[in-house]
Amino acid sequence: QVTLKESGPVLVKPSETLTLTCTVSGFSLSNTRMAVSWIRQPPGKALEWLAHIFSLDDKSYTTSLKTRLAISQDTSKSQVVLTLTNMDPVDTATYYCARISYYVGDSYPRFDYWGQGTLVTVSS
Amino acid sequence: SYDLTQPPSVSVSPGQTASITCSGDKVGDTSFCWYQQRPGQSPVLLIYQNRKRPSGIPERFSGSKSGNTATLTISGTQAMDEADYYCQAWDSTTAIFGGGTKLTVL
Repeated sequence: QVTLKESGPVLVKPSETLTLTCTVSGFSLSNTRMAVSWIRQPPGKALEWLAHIFSLDDKSYTTSLKTRLAISQDTSKSQVVLTLTNMDPVDTATYYCARISYYVGDSYPRFDYWGQGTLVTVSS
Repeated sequence: SYDLTQPPSVSVSPGQTASITCSGDKVGDTSFCWYQQRPGQSPVLLIYQNRKRPSGIPERFSGSKSGNTATLTISGTQAMDEADYYCQAWDSTTAIFGGGTKLTVL
């Protein structure tokens, strides 16, 4: 059974750095056909893809936040960590981690499993 | 990258067919996925590669693509289908989500 679970602070102050951890089970982060992505959703707004990391440490970031984001993984712990620096109230959102799967025959990958999400509020 | 445009809202009567579109000027050869998000829940994959359904997704959900527009069709819409729907595509290694469509089942 594939599961992903986000953990981290529920409240951060402006200018602080947010660190979120996604702990996965039911699949290996060493699988070259899978990756973990972070996606966020401000209250009442749309989904916004942030970053992903593949097993060979291949990383990609959304252009608008590239200078503030960092993604890493610890395969032995089955964890993917996202940091977002210089937090601002506009960064208030539910942050999801999701698995990306790339099966043989697929032309493009898909987000096939999602975590429950964690709401992060930025306020002083 | 490019934007994916969805109608903000769609209304449908129970038992009828609902169609939600997703368009982008520079979509090119990419394929689309569709996700359903019920209130207070995480998104669920409904459609991948434009028209394929993961196991467990009812047959009333179908997808298609023509040119730069993808369409999610819900046949025989049920009250439980009331949710937000998001299209998603790729621009190289960047994932792009549409703005979402709120489906109301009247």
